[in-house]
Amino acid sequence: GENVEQHPSTLSVQEGDSAVIKCTYSDSASNYFPWYKQELGKRPQLIIDIRSNVGEKKDQRIAVTLNKTAKHFSLHITETQPEDSAVYFCAAQSSGYSSASKIIFGSGTRLSIRP
Amino acid sequence: GAGVSQSPSNKVTEKGKDVELRCDPISGHTALYWYRQSLGQGLEFLIYFQGNSAPDKSGLPSDRFSAERTGGSVSTLTIQRTQQEDSAVYLCASSLAVGQVQTGELFFGEGSRLTVL
Repeated sequence: GENVEQHPSTLSVQEGDSAVIKCTYSDSASNYFPWYKQELGKRPQLIIDIRSNVGEKKDQRIAVTLNKTAKHFSLHITETQPEDSAVYFCAAQSSGYSSASKIIFGSGTRLSIRP
Repeated sequence: GAGVSQSPSNKVTEKGKDVELRCDPISGHTALYWYRQSLGQGLEFLIYFQGNSAPDKSGLPSDRFSAERTGGSVSTLTIQRTQQEDSAVYLCASSLAVGQVQTGELFFGEGSRLTVL
């Protein structure tokens, strides 16, 4: 089955600097890679996702890159702000026309933004 | 409803008792997941229902755990003979399927916090 590894487990960056979180996956059939943000005491929410037919996707200060050959994908946050402080989870899934597998999450990265 | 609803929000039970946790997904969402999140930890997959397909139970940690989804909507996660290590937040999430393929985004409930004394 799919296994998703995520690192680092904790990350502290100065406000305004960039943050990068990396994940690797094991199942070559995986073709959908979402990222979720979980603020303290709240439920996880989707912030960005990428499908395997593209190598990069950007949404304002957030970008995700995917390397299918190496089976790894990364989240990049630029110009970090205090509200970016949260736990970030990567995930992987394989989905097709007639079915979709379970979504497996990485272990999470606790991002802290220093003022 | 407006979002995924879970109940109870908090449950304190004694070791050895059975508990039932309920999830009411967003109307029309055919995919439903249960995850477990221990304090400060990640999202551990438990079980996945997709439409009328057989559920993927590969994440259930022991035979004390079971789940069902009646009528393709509400789901109940049952933990029998609870142990202290079962203490965690149990999160339910649902997803819309377009045709037979999920759009991907999971909508999570607020979770049920289980404490086993």
